[in-house]
Amino acid sequence: GNSVTQMEGPVTLSEEAFLTINCTYTATGYPSLFWYVQYPGEGLQLLLKATKADDKGSNKGFEATYRKETTSFHLEKGSVQVSDSAVYFCALSEGPYSSASKIIFGSGTRLSIRP
Amino acid sequence: DTGVSQDPRHKITKRGQNVTFRCDPISEHNRLYWYRQTLGQGPEFLTYFQNEAQLEKSRLLSDRFSAERPKGSFSTLEIQRTEQGDSAMYLCASSLRDSSYNEQFFGPGTRLTVL
Repeated sequence: GNSVTQMEGPVTLSEEAFLTINCTYTATGYPSLFWYVQYPGEGLQLLLKATKADDKGSNKGFEATYRKETTSFHLEKGSVQVSDSAVYFCALSEGPYSSASKIIFGSGTRLSIRP
Repeated sequence: DTGVSQDPRHKITKRGQNVTFRCDPISEHNRLYWYRQTLGQGPEFLTYFQNEAQLEKSRLLSDRFSAERPKGSFSTLEIQRTEQGDSAMYLCASSLRDSSYNEQFFGPGTRLTVL
């Protein structure tokens, strides 16, 4: 079945460091790929998305590129801030017109940024 | 602008009791989803509705769980004869059927603790 595997945490970085959180997926067909973020005490929010191969999703300085050849969707940010401290979830959906529209999440990566 | 709302936000119950949670989706969204999230894990799909029809149920949804969306608006999730293993965060999400990438908007969740 479809699945998502992401880098285990916690990840601790200093402010302004470069961030990469690895994510790989297993899916049939052409899934949509997402990164969701969960800030302390808040609900899940969509951070960015990509719906087809080679698409780059970006938001708030974060980027991820849909790589079909390596089945990956790694999250990157060039210079992290303390406010980026949160749990990040890589996720996939089987596509907008599939009857199976659930989102499958990875286990999450907790990111902590030191001032 | 009102997002997805859930009630209650926290519920503590004794083993064997029944509990019911409510979810109000974004008003124009015709799809509604329930997920369960245990500590340190990503959300896991439970079930989803398109309008009032329940179209998919996960094997995680045992016979003690029942979900309804009687008028295609709000939804309820009931757990009968709760067990300690039911302790988790229960998340509701909604989306538009015609969304090109199935973006789901999540509520804040109901945290259930079974003593």
